[in-house]
Amino acid sequence: EPEVTQTPSHQVTQMGQEVILRCVPISNHLYFYWYRQILGQKVEFLVSFYNNEISEKSEIFDDQFSVERPDGSNFTLKIRSTKLEDSAMYFCASSDRGNTIYFGEGSWLTVV
Amino acid sequence: RKEVEQDPGPFNVPEGATVAFNCTYSNSASQSFFWYRQDCRKEPKLLMSVYSSGNEDGRFTAQLNRASQYISLLIRDSKLSDSATYLCVVNTRGSTLGRLYFGRGTQLTVWP
Repeated sequence: EPEVTQTPSHQVTQMGQEVILRCVPISNHLYFYWYRQILGQKVEFLVSFYNNEISEKSEIFDDQFSVERPDGSNFTLKIRSTKLEDSAMYFCASSDRGNTIYFGEGSWLTVV
Repeated sequence: RKEVEQDPGPFNVPEGATVAFNCTYSNSASQSFFWYRQDCRKEPKLLMSVYSSGNEDGRFTAQLNRASQYISLLIRDSKLSDSATYLCVVNTRGSTLGRLYFGRGTQLTVWP
């Protein structure tokens, strides 16, 4: 079964550092997303991306966040200057025409 | 405002039991409804979509009441492998289909 793959699975970074989380969506999918889940809390939408541009973003997705699809396969989330409260599991997801959303296994980010 | 609310549980049931989870959503413009399951520190995985007429998938039955803005999931003949957190998820009309609103989840433990 095709799957969304994410790297790294776990990253520890110092506050103020930049972090890039990488994702390879399912190959024929057109819609890409980032979600996050702070430990013990609900999964929250960050951003959706279609046709090489952001189609929607949440209030969480402020200026310190950015997304990019640098080539035909990767989809990245950059956090410019990490804060303690950015510690969370970050899930990449993709879908075909916005229907069933498939999530990657997540990248666990710890900011110290 | 909480978009999606669920009883957090935990529900602890013996194998073979029937268990029901409930969920309410606040936005009457919600368009699509889902149950996801999430194992500890793993990604959400789609269990089933929920349709207005109600739908069944093996031991799992989902119901939707749009008037009451209420969604339910019934699990019959519980198995040990059903132990997980069950997430009620909705998508709102006017949003990209991938912007999903998650409840905090209901934790289920099935014991032998």
